[in-house]
Amino acid sequence: AQRVTQPEKLLSVFKGAPVELKCNYSYSGSPELFWYVQYSRQRLQLLLRHISRESIKGFTADLNKGETSFHLKKPFAQEEDSAMYYCALSLGGFQKLVFGTGTRLLVSP
Amino acid sequence: DGGITQSPKYLFRKEGQNVTLSCEQNLNHDAMYWYRQDPGQGLRLIYYSQIVNDFQKGDIAEGYSVSREKKESFPLTVTSAQKNPTAFYLCATIGQGLSGANVLTFGAGSRLTVL
Repeated sequence: AQRVTQPEKLLSVFKGAPVELKCNYSYSGSPELFWYVQYSRQRLQLLLRHISRESIKGFTADLNKGETSFHLKKPFAQEEDSAMYYCALSLGGFQKLVFGTGTRLLVSP
Repeated sequence: DGGITQSPKYLFRKEGQNVTLSCEQNLNHDAMYWYRQDPGQGLRLIYYSQIVNDFQKGDIAEGYSVSREKKESFPLTVTSAQKNPTAFYLCATIGQGLSGANVLTFGAGSRLTVL
């Protein structure tokens, strides 16, 4: 069965420290992976997707098919990065997305 | 408003009552989804619809019902059969994002509390 695992419920770091939010998936097909973010009092929104290989707000994520991982990284965390982050796996097309349980990132000054 | 409007934002319900949550979109997206968000459990799919007059059960459909009579609208009814209905409900659509990727766009959500 398709599954997304985010092992950390809470990740707390100081401003300026590196951040890595872990995401592992299980899927026998060709995965399409996303990171969604929910800032306080805002809608859940797309942060980045693996096929575009982009960096958004300093965050990057590389798909590692060998390790079935899609970890989200940022070299220097900012306070405004504090939010709830969800990793999601798409089965393609208009099929449903499978979400992880989320990781709350807390960046302290 | 991001093209997806959910109402009401907050809703209180007594046990045994059905309640309907509204989701309207003006994005001209074909596919619409209902997710339930609970602390520590992430987002779980309730129902989804890829075209008008068709919908499929998600992972936790029991106690819920939907309809898709119009492309723009995908209301969710939380019935009295839903054992633990207190939650935050998110409606979403999928349309073609940049680079051909299918990206979920979310509404602001509806918080249902059963008293």
